[in-house]
Amino acid sequence: DTGVSQNPRHKITKRGQNVTFRCDPISEHNRLYWYRQTLGQGPEFLTYFQNEAQLEKSRLLSDRFSAERPKGSFSTLEIQRTEQGDSAMYLCASSLGTGRYNEQFFGPGTRLTVL
Amino acid sequence: DQQVKQNSPSLSVQEGRISILNCDYTNSMFDYFLWYKKYPAEGPTFLISISSIKDKNEDGRFTVFLNKSAKHLSLHIVPSQPGDSAVYFCAAIANDYKLSFGAGTTVTVRA
Repeated sequence: DTGVSQNPRHKITKRGQNVTFRCDPISEHNRLYWYRQTLGQGPEFLTYFQNEAQLEKSRLLSDRFSAERPKGSFSTLEIQRTEQGDSAMYLCASSLGTGRYNEQFFGPGTRLTVL
Repeated sequence: DQQVKQNSPSLSVQEGRISILNCDYTNSMFDYFLWYKKYPAEGPTFLISISSIKDKNEDGRFTVFLNKSAKHLSLHIVPSQPGDSAVYFCAAIANDYKLSFGAGTTVTVRA
């Protein structure tokens, strides 16, 4: 399967713990996006990378959140000192090209539950 | 603030009939609109899109209509099939690369 993959698929943690998610985009896709989806809502943009450069971060991405994409391949999203409000589905997407309308392909998501 | 709104959380339709999903937006800078479909335990998948310079785009059973003056778009599925049962998200792009999504409409196609 050459689609976007995300690991883990589910994560349960206690409040105050740190968690890290991984996203492997479709091979050679130069853009990578992170979104967050809470219950009953659509995905909300968090951040995106073009190759290894993080070009934009949403105001939703507090200082406890950090994302990296070393060498322009896979990406990690870390949440420090998790809070119950961080419970959500974290979606990763990737796209190829430099235009604005390149199709974004989504992974299955990582569901985070903070107890 | 929610710039893309899907006011109908759910829609039930009989197999073979038309499904009409609605979406409203508030940001005048949006110039490209998309519909995504999502099955449980999977990520959203692209379905159909439309540029703001058009008012209609058709792809097989799926047609998207755009009314810029009303800031409204709709997705028509004809005829509806059981495999169309899913959550449908309306999304839009402004002068950047990020998608702004609506809250989604759950479609159930009854046999």
